[in-house]
Amino acid sequence: EIVLTQSPGTLSLSPGERATLSCRASQSVSRNYLGWYQQKPGQAPRLLIYGASSRATGIPDRFSGSGSGTDFTLIISRLEPEDFAVYFCQQYGSSPLTFGGGTKVEMK
Amino acid sequence: QVQLVQSGAEVKKPGASVKVSCKASGYTFTGYYIHWLRQAPGQGLEWMGWINPNSGGTNYAQNFQGRVTMTRDTSISTAFMELNRLRSDDTAVYYCVRELLPMSTSATTECFQDWGHGTLVTVSS
Repeated sequence: EIVLTQSPGTLSLSPGERATLSCRASQSVSRNYLGWYQQKPGQAPRLLIYGASSRATGIPDRFSGSGSGTDFTLIISRLEPEDFAVYFCQQYGSSPLTFGGGTKVEMK
Repeated sequence: QVQLVQSGAEVKKPGASVKVSCKASGYTFTGYYIHWLRQAPGQGLEWMGWINPNSGGTNYAQNFQGRVTMTRDTSISTAFMELNRLRSDDTAVYYCVRELLPMSTSATTECFQDWGHGTLVTVSS
């Protein structure tokens, strides 16, 4: 199975700053089938990005995804107060589907 | 709008079974795969498997083979996930989720825009 390693574990930033989150796969993700989710406490995750770089419906353009093969990045260009949350990556290029351990973006 | 409404929280003893339901509305139930995921307290997400609501076909993660059964009732647009021989480490929030795109598309879209609210299953003696 493909293991996804996210870094850093925690990112301490201020509103208005840029956040760069990394997701590294143990083997190449087929067709860049990589998604990113945001999760706030007590809520279900929300899909942000699919296919490594396509924004899901209703997602603001301050969220962008990039990468291919084994290295993927989620960038939040200017953090808004509502963006402080945990972010997970997920690969769906091969079975079993797997998720990264998450990056917590916290307010400095 | 798409809604996935799950059954309520459950408390079970080790060795028991639990069956969680997921009622879909706002779209054609038989047109999209439904997956089940779980999230242990403070942990990441774990994929359990999927069901094709049209055919009833299933695909389970190896970690759950022999212990999980996914079914559906198309007459009430509801999917079910039953987990047997529960252990304390099965304590988690269980989510039903709908694939991003319908089955009719050729692309693989096993990522999830629509989520149930989650069902907390607590396994404790």
